[in-house]
Amino acid sequence: SYDLTQPSSVSVSPGQTAKIPCSGDVLAKKYARWFLQKPGQAPILIIYNDDERPSGIPERFSGSSSGTTVTLTISGAQVEDEGDYYCYSAAGDNLVFGGGTRLTVL
Amino acid sequence: EVQLVESGGGLVQPGGSLKISCAASGFVFSFSDSTIHWVRQAPGRGLEWVGRIGSKGGGHATAYGASVQGRFTISRDDSQNTALLVMDSLKGEDTATYYCRCTVLKKNWIDAWGQGTLVTVSS
Repeated sequence: SYDLTQPSSVSVSPGQTAKIPCSGDVLAKKYARWFLQKPGQAPILIIYNDDERPSGIPERFSGSSSGTTVTLTISGAQVEDEGDYYCYSAAGDNLVFGGGTRLTVL
Repeated sequence: EVQLVESGGGLVQPGGSLKISCAASGFVFSFSDSTIHWVRQAPGRGLEWVGRIGSKGGGHATAYGASVQGRFTISRDDSQNTALLVMDSLKGEDTATYYCRCTVLKKNWIDAWGQGTLVTVSS
């Protein structure tokens, strides 16, 4: 089991909205982050502080938080958004992770 | 844009040791202000935090996950923009891809990861 819980897969058609939830008790007290990992590539941060987007990340990516659940939303998903999305958070010195969600856009 | 490159992975026998490196570049701040984490992912399994070494201002404090405490050691050379993970008494369950990650206090938008290096512990 993982400290944070995510669905293992989400599938949408191009242009549709994809939502990936992530839940865990630590999220009631600590910010969540999301990264995207594509095969053979380094993970890329796409959301930090629950809902902030680093520069260079497209506006179609957004984050939200409610209680012990955070949600990554991709509005108008594109084929290039396919990959594995992980939520994670700091718990003291430790980092805790979700199990990852494979997003398929087809 | 911060870039991290891990190196030094490979095959090692159980009980053996291995040192892997993380080389950083592309800073707009000082590498010595960063915290370097190591995170691993065993084949077919989830991500696990291994440990971290803090910034120069934080005294280069280290912390480790329970499964590696006492066996792994993290160090850094700020003059070379590198961090090291020395792994001793390796076990089969240490087989994983090891990633380094860089963050900077109060600059939460800086959260860079390397591509990872594979460590295989097997006889």
